[in-house]
Amino acid sequence: SAVISQKPSRDICQRGTSLTIQCQVDSQVTMMFWYRQQPGQSLTLIATANQGSEATYESGFVIDKFPISRPNLTFSTLTVSNMSPEDSSIYLCSTLGGGAWETQYFGPGTRLLVL
Amino acid sequence: AQSVAQPEDQVNVAEGNPLTVKCTYSVSGNPYLFWYVQYPNRGLQFLLKYITGDNLVKGSYGFEAEFNKSQTSFHLKKPSALVSDSALYFCAVRDGAGNNRKLIWGLGTSLAVNP
Repeated sequence: SAVISQKPSRDICQRGTSLTIQCQVDSQVTMMFWYRQQPGQSLTLIATANQGSEATYESGFVIDKFPISRPNLTFSTLTVSNMSPEDSSIYLCSTLGGGAWETQYFGPGTRLLVL
Repeated sequence: AQSVAQPEDQVNVAEGNPLTVKCTYSVSGNPYLFWYVQYPNRGLQFLLKYITGDNLVKGSYGFEAEFNKSQTSFHLKKPSALVSDSALYFCAVRDGAGNNRKLIWGLGTSLAVNP
């Protein structure tokens, strides 16, 4: 299985600022996903990021608010822009591929609190 | 439309007793089914999956699940629960017939194993 790390693990930010979350994978993977999760609740997919193409956003999420980069097959970033308290959540990076057929693996998450 | 239902928000079992966490699904094609576990303040860990083949799937930490096509179910089971199994469990599904790799997630079931 892929080993996935995320930075930062947690942060407290002021409203109106932006935070970039990094996701690093120890192997090359085809697809990367960014999710949002409120503690104790289910996952909401923000976008799917394939290397070399624009990210595909789910309904309710837009590129201006959540720009994503995918410069290579082992790395991606998600930026939460112009933050408000409603953006306080856990942000999870997930990968598909790298030999783990059809199985998504997850990073440890980034806990974000916006004041 | 694809969907996943986890009918129980919470399941309580005594340590040493068998446990079952229920999941039913709806997809138009062949289902790819997954179980994940999330321990407090941790990311999601993959437990097991059904793609094809034997209906009884064995996974990590002694868990297993049985794919039942007629009942459209994929219940998670373990013969003897441990206190350390207490966590949040998610069932997920995708339609294996399509190219869309997105997973549809259940709302999660909180498992509490009492000593």
